[in-house]
Amino acid sequence: DQQVKQNSPSLSVQEGRISILNCDYTNSMFDYFLWYKKYPAEGPTFLISISSIKDKNEDGRFTVFLNKSAKHLSLHIVPSQPGDSAVYFCAAATGSSNTGKLIFGQGTTLQVKP
Amino acid sequence: GAGVSQSPRYKVAKRGQDVALRCDPISGHVSLFWYQQALGQGPEFLTYFQNEAQLDKSGLPSDRFFAERPEGSVSTLKIQRTQQEDSAVYLCASSLEVGGAYEQYFGPGTRLTVT
Repeated sequence: DQQVKQNSPSLSVQEGRISILNCDYTNSMFDYFLWYKKYPAEGPTFLISISSIKDKNEDGRFTVFLNKSAKHLSLHIVPSQPGDSAVYFCAAATGSSNTGKLIFGQGTTLQVKP
Repeated sequence: GAGVSQSPRYKVAKRGQDVALRCDPISGHVSLFWYQQALGQGPEFLTYFQNEAQLDKSGLPSDRFFAERPEGSVSTLKIQRTQQEDSAVYLCASSLEVGGAYEQYFGPGTRLTVT
């Protein structure tokens, strides 16, 4: 039972263009969503998050959009840079949880070509 | 180093051996999490500590897995009688806040290979 799904295993974009990474979830109790970026041999690093009371959150080149009715979120990276090449994971949590455990998707490998 | 550290970084164990994986969280972080990441998959939750109390161990796959955080800082994940399906990267994360869904800081992980 995959509660968080990233259906695209990989994505390739040209430097300077927009990268759009998608994520779907099934559990309507999720009310907090995060994106993590992972380089090989390193742990995931936090990128950006959004609460379910918002539909957009922006931080520099990174913007996360949340569509609660569709149970869908996306991460936009504009402009994409070669250093953005990594595996991106979306994660979800129940904000009222007393543990804060994260449920991760399978990841999308982004390649930004110079 | 101000980040989360884990040791060893790599561990090879023969099937049936016991292993112990260590996590040093960021100083002062109350919450500590263990995740298991199989090849090509996202991290999967194993267990959660609030200080020294293990409040959630619902993700531990079997009673061969045991975690502790006796003084509320360093944590150890122990796997007894390792099996091949235990081969994965084990990630530790810590968070300043208690519960909620706040940002978690991850260590580099321990890659366990069971032969």
